[in-house]
Amino acid sequence: NAGVMQNPRHLVRRRGQEARLRCSPMKGHSHVYWYRQLPEEGLKFMVYLQKENIIDESGMPKERFSAEFPKEGPSILRIQQVVRGDSAAYFCASSPEGSVNQPQHFGDGTRLSIL
Amino acid sequence: DAKTTQPNSMESNEEEPVHLPCNHSTISGTDYIHWYRQLPSQGPEYVIHGLTSNVNNRMASLAIAEDRKSSTLILHRATLRDAAVYYCILSLETSGSRLTFGEGTQLTVNP
Repeated sequence: NAGVMQNPRHLVRRRGQEARLRCSPMKGHSHVYWYRQLPEEGLKFMVYLQKENIIDESGMPKERFSAEFPKEGPSILRIQQVVRGDSAAYFCASSPEGSVNQPQHFGDGTRLSIL
Repeated sequence: DAKTTQPNSMESNEEEPVHLPCNHSTISGTDYIHWYRQLPSQGPEYVIHGLTSNVNNRMASLAIAEDRKSSTLILHRATLRDAAVYYCILSLETSGSRLTFGEGTQLTVNP
């Protein structure tokens, strides 16, 4: 069974460009979570999505960031007009249901660097 | 969010048991205790979770205090591959499904 797949593993963008990060959950998982790890900081929750719905976006910055999880295809985290402070590792996790009694399975992340 | 407290770092020798403590004195009755670990340059990896009873799986054991205000992750025989940051996290009904990561414990395993 394939685990959570994230691509690209590394992404370099210039200030002002757009960054698109993709996440394919584990087979059979319909719940996806995005987390961000800034340099020398801990992991912070960003957003929780179920197919076609955003369930909890309490950790998303108010501007420039958006996320989607369409009926078909991977979940996308989109960052518009990137700035240096967006440089971080972005991790996606998935679970079969959104229950506190279930583990989340993480991908190996996308490392975003802003020049 | 309910808070957990862990030592910043611990050290162990290879092939010896490791006991990683976690305090969570504000835990409520429906909160699950989860443990994840993160190896360098990798995403977090689920280790184990429990509610009230002690739990065992192929990776580790979780010992939960009777009052649930603390727990201990037990690695029975540490290997070099177990060197990682270990996070103790309360999965809260009130917080939905999001995980709140703290600083964790950096485990060093000496050969």
